[in-house]
Amino acid sequence: AQSVTQLDSQVPVFEEAPVELRCNYSSSVSVYLFWYVQYPNQGLQLLLKYLSGSTLVKGINGFEAEFNKSQTSFHLRKPSVHISDTAEYFCAVRNAGNNRKLIWGLGTSLAVNP
Amino acid sequence: GAGVSQSPRYKVAKRGQDVALRCDPISGHVSLFWYQQALGQGPEFLTYFQNEAQLDKSGLPSDRFFAERPEGSVSTLKIQRTQQEDSAVYLCASSLDSRTNEKLFFGSGTQLSVL
Repeated sequence: AQSVTQLDSQVPVFEEAPVELRCNYSSSVSVYLFWYVQYPNQGLQLLLKYLSGSTLVKGINGFEAEFNKSQTSFHLRKPSVHISDTAEYFCAVRNAGNNRKLIWGLGTSLAVNP
Repeated sequence: GAGVSQSPRYKVAKRGQDVALRCDPISGHVSLFWYQQALGQGPEFLTYFQNEAQLDKSGLPSDRFFAERPEGSVSTLKIQRTQQEDSAVYLCASSLDSRTNEKLFFGSGTQLSVL
């Protein structure tokens, strides 16, 4: 069975500071990894995904994440955050085969303060 | 439409009542997913359709939960004899049928409160 652990439930940060949201997963098979963002009163939207190839993936809004197979991690980073990045961030994993079920973490609430 | 549309946005039900939640996916999207999100939790998979075929319903918590997509477009999630533990946000997502390049588009969800 697969699982996802988001190590921080809340991350407060000042505007223009760097941020890292941590995600670890467990799986006995190859996986695809995703980060989704949920802005207040909006639906979930895809930030970025890792399927294969380069372990550093870039997404929308200046976010990037690095897949580390040995540490089973997929941490999300942004070098300089804006107030508008305040949102809930979810890490998710699925089997790289035909099973399209996503397993989700509990989410990390990012609060960007002026 | 421009995005995934879910209705109603909010639903209050008395315990024991049946409810039906509707999802209109993005036009042309072959795959449709239902997830349940309890307060303070991440989404939990319920079921998945490819066109009208329900390929995976392993996440449905009990036989009180039933989903259908008869014409391969609109989907309905039905919950019979609702219980308080069914209170959650029910999310619908759709995607093009690309198993190795999946991007899910989510609706805003239906918040179900069972009293």
